[in-house]
Amino acid sequence: KNEVEQSPQNLTAQEGEFITINCSYSVGISALHWLQQHPGGGIVSLFMLSSGKKKHGRLIATINIQEKHSSLHITASHPRDSAVYICAVKFINGQNFVFGPGTRLSVLP
Amino acid sequence: GAGVSQSPRYKVAKRGQDVALRCDPISGHVSLFWYQQALGQGPEFLTYFQNEAQLDKSGLPSDRFFAERPEGSVSTLKIQRTQQEDSAVYLCASSLPRPGQGVLVTNEKLFFGSGTQLSVL
Repeated sequence: KNEVEQSPQNLTAQEGEFITINCSYSVGISALHWLQQHPGGGIVSLFMLSSGKKKHGRLIATINIQEKHSSLHITASHPRDSAVYICAVKFINGQNFVFGPGTRLSVLP
Repeated sequence: GAGVSQSPRYKVAKRGQDVALRCDPISGHVSLFWYQQALGQGPEFLTYFQNEAQLDKSGLPSDRFFAERPEGSVSTLKIQRTQQEDSAVYLCASSLPRPGQGVLVTNEKLFFGSGTQLSVL
């Protein structure tokens, strides 16, 4: 079965902390997205990965294809990073994206 | 347009009423996805279009749900005889495949609309 899991489900951090959110999936994929969803529903695509590592500002995303695992890191976290972070994958045997349940991040000042 | 546009932003319907939700994808985008997101949960796949062809509708929860994209651009998700369990945010996303790699490619960047929040009373 094509499944996507994320951990932790909820995360509270103090401003400035280094944050890691994890995503694991069950079978081979062709692409993985990290998405950010703010209250009110708008979703923004942060990264699209098929291998290796990407960095954008304070955000870093890595993927290990062999281990079927990806991580999203936030350095020097800020209250404006508070949002739900969602991992979405396209499985090799599928055409659509399957979403993880999301990780709710709250960064306190 | 500049982004994916969905309308209405909010919709309140009485149980049993039919509703139609509209998605205007980014111009030229080939792939269009509809997702349903219940409160506190991740989006769940409903259906997928490649141009005007509905290639996957396996996520539609019942035959009360119907989606179309007749000219390969704007898409409409219709829900007939709405039920309270249909209350959710309905998200539309579109993507454009990388040129030269065909339509189903590995590195599609997804662009999301703001969603339509449907409340069935």
